[in-house]
Amino acid sequence: EIVLTQSPGTLSLSPGERATLSCRASQSVSSSYLAWYQQKPGQAPRLLIYGASSRATGISDRFSGSGSGTDFTLTISRLEPEDFTVYYCQQYGNSPWTFGQGTKVVIK
Amino acid sequence: QVQLQESGPGLVKPSQTLSLTCTVSGGSINSSNYYWSWIRQPAGKGLEWIGRIHTRGGAKYNPSLKSRVTISVDTSKNQFSLELSSVTAADTAVYYCSRVPFWSGHYYMDVWGKGTTVTVSS
Repeated sequence: EIVLTQSPGTLSLSPGERATLSCRASQSVSSSYLAWYQQKPGQAPRLLIYGASSRATGISDRFSGSGSGTDFTLTISRLEPEDFTVYYCQQYGNSPWTFGQGTKVVIK
Repeated sequence: QVQLQESGPGLVKPSQTLSLTCTVSGGSINSSNYYWSWIRQPAGKGLEWIGRIHTRGGAKYNPSLKSRVTISVDTSKNQFSLELSSVTAADTAVYYCSRVPFWSGHYYMDVWGKGTTVTVSS
């Protein structure tokens, strides 16, 4: 099973700042089969990025993904108030599909 | 636009079987382009993939739950279901169903239900 470790656990930033979230895999993720999700309190996760760097339909271009192999990054270029919430990475290159433990972005 | 809705008992007794259904609306569950999946999330914790199914193939499960899980599909009702046997308090969680488009090896979850809370308690 591929273990995904997200860092930092909590990221404290101000609106308008750039957020950089990391997701590290315990072994290489096949063909960059990695997704990022945003989850707001009381809601289901929402797909942001798939294939490590492709934005899902309707997702703002403030969100971008990069990386390959074992190291992946989600970048939010300019934080808006609605971006302060929890983000998860997920790999689907190997079964079982696994998620990271999440990074919470909070207002500084 | 496709929507998913989970339903089932919110309270299950220990050692019994948890049964949930996901109803798909706005599209056919019989499309060859999608898997259908279950995920759960204990309160305040992260996400755990439970398993997936395709209407034209078998199901695949997370090995951590494989001995207790069954996912099935009913194309006539446009629904798929989850059964988890011998539940304990550790199975208390919000359970989500999701759609998984697959192409070129991609299996991300692009549509999610709102989730349903299941508590295991006597």
